[in-house]
Amino acid sequence: DAGVTQSPTHLIKTRGQQVTLRCSPISGHKSVSWYQQVLGQGPQFIFQYYEKEERGRGNFPDRFSARQFPNYSSELNVNALLLGDSALYLCASSSNDRGLAYGYTFGSGTRLTVV
Amino acid sequence: EDQVTQSPEALRLQEGESSSLNCSYTVSGLRGLFWYRQDPGKGPEFLFTLYSAGEEKEKERLKATLTKKESFLHITAPKPEDSATYLCAVQLYNFNKFYFGSGTKLNVKP
Repeated sequence: DAGVTQSPTHLIKTRGQQVTLRCSPISGHKSVSWYQQVLGQGPQFIFQYYEKEERGRGNFPDRFSARQFPNYSSELNVNALLLGDSALYLCASSSNDRGLAYGYTFGSGTRLTVV
Repeated sequence: EDQVTQSPEALRLQEGESSSLNCSYTVSGLRGLFWYRQDPGKGPEFLFTLYSAGEEKEKERLKATLTKKESFLHITAPKPEDSATYLCAVQLYNFNKFYFGSGTKLNVKP
């Protein structure tokens, strides 16, 4: 079975540009969450979607937005990129909206570098 | 303020030398505490979920325990393949809040 897949794996963007990251959850998983992980730190929660509805939002500026599609895949958009947005962006999926019991399954992430 | 703190930041062990990693938390309304393992360049891999004080879970050489203020990940007779960063995370009853600690980087030398 395919795990959580993210694309692209690596990306280099210039300050001020916009970026779209994509995530396909495990088949049957209806919850998708996005995290930002800066080198040397733990992941920071950005968004959670369940059944196409936003269920949670972390402390990130409005430049960050996301959506979930009818097939439960998801996109994370970041506008007006800053150097500080350089990080590993992780997507996680779960069969329920709480990720309990079996936790969230993470993808390998998209490494975004802003220059 | 909700906070998750892991210690030590880094730990070097000889193969077979048992030790413990600590995750202390100050949150209001803990729904669950999670342990993950993360290898370089990869996403975190789920290990355990603990729900209430006194609970313990085991998997191979790993054992996780939970009290009202902290969780321990005990590693018994570690092997070099156990080398990774171990992350703990807490989920609050307001379930859209999910906080990770900064992790403990474990290096097991043969």
